[in-house]
Amino acid sequence: GENVEQHPSTLSVQEGDSAVIKCTYSDSASNYFPWYKQELGKGPQLIIDIRSNVGEKKDQRIAVTLNKTAKHFSLHITETQPEDSAVYFCAASKNSNYQLIWGAGTKLIIKP
Amino acid sequence: NAGVTQTPKFQVLKTGQSMTLQCAQDMNHNSMYWYRQDPGMGLRLIYYSASEGTTDKGEVPNGYNVSRLNKREFSLRLESAAPSQTSVYFCASTEYQRGGGTEAFFGQGTRLTVV
Repeated sequence: GENVEQHPSTLSVQEGDSAVIKCTYSDSASNYFPWYKQELGKGPQLIIDIRSNVGEKKDQRIAVTLNKTAKHFSLHITETQPEDSAVYFCAASKNSNYQLIWGAGTKLIIKP
Repeated sequence: NAGVTQTPKFQVLKTGQSMTLQCAQDMNHNSMYWYRQDPGMGLRLIYYSASEGTTDKGEVPNGYNVSRLNKREFSLRLESAAPSQTSVYFCASTEYQRGGGTEAFFGQGTRLTVV
């Protein structure tokens, strides 16, 4: 079955710098790759997603890139702000089985 | 529109006690899920229900049972709580998106401590 690996488990960056979180997946049939943000004491919430027919997608300060050949995708956050501090999860799914397979999460710490 | 509502938010149990975690969604989603989240281990799927009337085991089902009461409600039961079940539990429902992909909507979580 599908396996999603996420790195790093913890990332500490200076406020204003960029942060990059990477995920790899094993099932070449996976075609949908969302990213979720979990703030303290809350459930995860979708922040951006990408489908396999697209290589990059941007939404203001966040972007996601996908390399289908290498089976990896990344979340990029530019000009980081204190409110970006959270746990971020990547996931993958495919049309034949809509279940989301989750990465282990990355705790992002923004240092003032 | 409340989304996914879980109760209770906090619970302390003694070893061997039983309890039911309640979850309801008002988005008319077919699929619902129960996850547990432990420090450094991400989200692990306990049980899921692809549609009303069906339930299936996930990655870590031992010690748990579920009931899909109707389309809105999906409950998780611990028959005999153990300290290893101390965790934060999340209920989620999913909606298939046009163009492919599934968006998950999560409840606020239940923080369970078994002593």
